[in-house]
Amino acid sequence: DAGVIQSPRHEVTEMGQEVTLRCKPISGHDYLFWYRQTMMRGLELLIYFNNNVPIDDSGMPEDRFSAKMPNASFSTLKIQPSEPRDSAVYFCASSVLQGNYGYTFGSGTRLTVV
Amino acid sequence: AQSVTQLDSQVPVFEEAPVELRCNYSSSVSVYLFWYVQYPNQGLQLLLKYLSGSTLVKGINGFEAEFNKSQTSFHLRKPSVHISDTAEYFCAVTGGFKTIFGAGTRLFVKA
Repeated sequence: DAGVIQSPRHEVTEMGQEVTLRCKPISGHDYLFWYRQTMMRGLELLIYFNNNVPIDDSGMPEDRFSAKMPNASFSTLKIQPSEPRDSAVYFCASSVLQGNYGYTFGSGTRLTVV
Repeated sequence: AQSVTQLDSQVPVFEEAPVELRCNYSSSVSVYLFWYVQYPNQGLQLLLKYLSGSTLVKGINGFEAEFNKSQTSFHLRKPSVHISDTAEYFCAVTGGFKTIFGAGTRLFVKA
């Protein structure tokens, strides 16, 4: 397996634009997590899915953020409209048993909003 | 509720010296414990995990950690570090279907 695949690796966009981040989890993993990492706040859980169903989105900072998982092999995190304070590294991770055996993380998307 | 405290934000150490990165946690339920490593511009990679059984667990790259239930600690150790171990290390606790990550410890190995 190629691991958790995220795209793009880097994204630079202007304030107000829509941004879509993509994630392909490991085949067979039934949990998918979206995290945001910043120097100020460290790793923050934004939302997670179980069997493609959103379970907890309490970490999504605002209505500008939305996430979907249309099938077991694909998820998106969308920010619309984007703001400079959304600049961060966004990680996708997948696991079995809600992470009781650990997560496999993707390489992340570094988002810069100017 | 759970919490994780990594007691050192930065640990500088010379190459071939031993190192210990400290992690304390609190939880009202039974927990699973993890250490992850993050190299620059990469995602987090699982180093080792404690699920049950022996309190001394061995991971990749020569790292090991010891679970101490009475002190609620899970410190990471390596007897001799290499330059390539320079990275950020995260302690994580999973309990009650929730995972909490520590703030991270930056290990800087000097020649």
